[in-house]
Amino acid sequence: QVQLVESGGGLVKPGGSLRLSCAASGFTFSDYYMSWIRQAPGQGLEWISYISSSGTTIYYEDSVTGRITISRDNAKNSLYLQMNSLRAEDTAVYYCARTGYMWGDAFDLWGQGTMVTVSS
Amino acid sequence: QSALTQPASVSGSPGQSITISCTGTSSDVGGYNYVSWYQQHPGKAPKLIIYDVSNRPSGVSNRFSGSKSGNTASLTISGLQAEDEADYSCSSYTTISTYVFGTGTKVTVL
Repeated sequence: QVQLVESGGGLVKPGGSLRLSCAASGFTFSDYYMSWIRQAPGQGLEWISYISSSGTTIYYEDSVTGRITISRDNAKNSLYLQMNSLRAEDTAVYYCARTGYMWGDAFDLWGQGTMVTVSS
Repeated sequence: QSALTQPASVSGSPGQSITISCTGTSSDVGGYNYVSWYQQHPGKAPKLIIYDVSNRPSGVSNRFSGSKSGNTASLTISGLQAEDEADYSCSSYTTISTYVFGTGTKVTVL
């Protein structure tokens, strides 16, 4: 069925690194823009990055620029988020979301999320 | 980019209509018709209920409707039902090619 499944979350110390993965199935992954969105405990949603269908266009939210890298492997139907220099404020559930065929499109399919906890 | 402003909570009785506002700036809500709305039940992933200001995805109840005036977008839920009790968030594309979400609104069905 059409779905996104995130993995790779866990407990990491401040300053550490983590790589999240998102496996897509049931649709033509290479046709779609994809995004990462996070939600800190008890807080609202925060968009952090998107990548175009070909991977050539990438944007980041200011607070994570320089610390995270979004990438994709269309042959493996997978989206990735490399997170470095993690801080306590990066603690959140991280969702991958399908983002339509072009910039501006809505997030029309979400994964179940993976929890990232940054703590010593 | 500052979060879009939503009321923290809105409540209504079954059968009533409620409206949730989402206020931004000319750099986001007012700049494009790329406003979307998401419903999120506790412990669940968000679900798209409105896109491009006023369009409903297939399968979403027609009790949900969206609109926009200037820098403020609105989501109206008519015929409020118990299952509508959830958190609702707006989102907008911005003029600097990013996205921004709203602060979120908790809807309570009395």
